Amino acid sequence: EVQLVESGGGLVQPGGSQRLSCEASGFTFSREWMSWVRQAPGKGPELVANINQDGGEKNYVDSVRGRFTISRDNAKNSLYLQMNSLRAEDTAVYYCACGAFWGQGALITVSS
Amino acid sequence: DVRLTQSPSTLSASVGDRVTITCRASQSISPWLAWFQQKPGKAPELLIYDTSKLKSGVPSRFSGSGSGAEFSLTISGLQPDDFATYYCQHYNSYFGGGTKVEIK
Repeated sequence: EVQLVESGGGLVQPGGSQRLSCEASGFTFSREWMSWVRQAPGKGPELVANINQDGGEKNYVDSVRGRFTISRDNAKNSLYLQMNSLRAEDTAVYYCACGAFWGQGALITVSS
Repeated sequence: DVRLTQSPSTLSASVGDRVTITCRASQSISPWLAWFQQKPGKAPELLIYDTSKLKSGVPSRFSGSGSGAEFSLTISGLQPDDFATYYCQHYNSYFGGGTKVEIK
């Protein structure tokens, strides 16, 4: 069974940084594209970033490019999202995803 | 980038109706498409993956079909619990704009 468990959510001040982690199990992590998806209050889900199997290809939504970095450690079956220069509009639940399967989500609130 | 166009954006229906939601991709993506259901205040829940595979525990009145760049989600016999917003998603990529199924 695919399991994805996010950690690292919390309250962050505008301009601050936060790192999300996702621990994966139940599938061969190193063979799969992975992504981070977010959903802001009252809005639809949005792809934030994705990364290919060896980390050599990364894609970002325009609104986070240059501020967020997606990475992975295949030896640890883990996915990461480093978020810098956070803004109020980054407030959302962030989900780690592998194909159609998502984790339970981590809430990031950007507020002073 | 693959873009998904979902229609209609809103659908008014009655309990017992058969409803179909369409998702069109900007290029062929079959079979890498999923459908999610979302109720207010809750996280999206996976209904269908790989275009037509029903997630375990999802009622059989939900079905998915399609190929290439055209996909659909059908609910056969709408139940009160089905009034929600539905999203299609290409794996690790973009989402459709959502379809709100509301009571007629």
